Amino acid sequence: DTEVTQTPKHLVMGMTNKKSLKCEQHMGHRAMYWYKQKAKKPPELMFVYSYEKLSINESVPSRFSPECPNSSLLNLHLHALQPEDSALYLCASSQDSRRQETQYFGPGTRLLVL
Amino acid sequence: AQSVTQLGSHVSVSEGALVLLRCNYSSSVPPYLFWYVQYPNQGLQLLLKYTSAATLVKGINGFEAEFKKSETSFHLTKPSAHMSDAAEYFCAVSEGGYNKLIFGAGTRLAVHP
Repeated sequence: DTEVTQTPKHLVMGMTNKKSLKCEQHMGHRAMYWYKQKAKKPPELMFVYSYEKLSINESVPSRFSPECPNSSLLNLHLHALQPEDSALYLCASSQDSRRQETQYFGPGTRLLVL
Repeated sequence: AQSVTQLGSHVSVSEGALVLLRCNYSSSVPPYLFWYVQYPNQGLQLLLKYTSAATLVKGINGFEAEFKKSETSFHLTKPSAHMSDAAEYFCAVSEGGYNKLIFGAGTRLAVHP
């Protein structure tokens, strides 16, 4: 089973709302990732967690707050977002964070900020 | 820093024709290269990857890619296109100590009858 699940599939929020995106994998992977993908663009890395520790933050604004409660779960907490944050948010996981490891992607959460 | 260039943002082929999607990379270390496919409103699915074991890599759905160090290329091919191959294709290189994927801009493949 190489499935990464993400909830919700779609999310509409106002600029003053607080919401969370959830990502889950049961493959025993120890690295998890958040990517942001704008329309007609490639995914861009936001965060990397390795063994439940934040390893990379690609200078993401603090209105995005990641959390890794355990090795299977990754959350992305959203607060005071801007309309330009509207995008597809993709979660991925890999066996570990070595460069040759395949990242398995979830279906994404499509976020619209009004 | 490593980078990936995909030549041709749109490629259109007839059903049954050869598919060739181009990818060139720039890397100061031996690269790890990946091809992913993204169908509309979906996440990314791995087609194949190069990790230095063999220069010709076979993937899913009849796709394959050849790593050519002298040309710094990793082009994706399929002998005979199917309508179901219509999608966005991304070439990517893994960079750094934490498997950061650097994606090319993507190539949208259209297959017409």
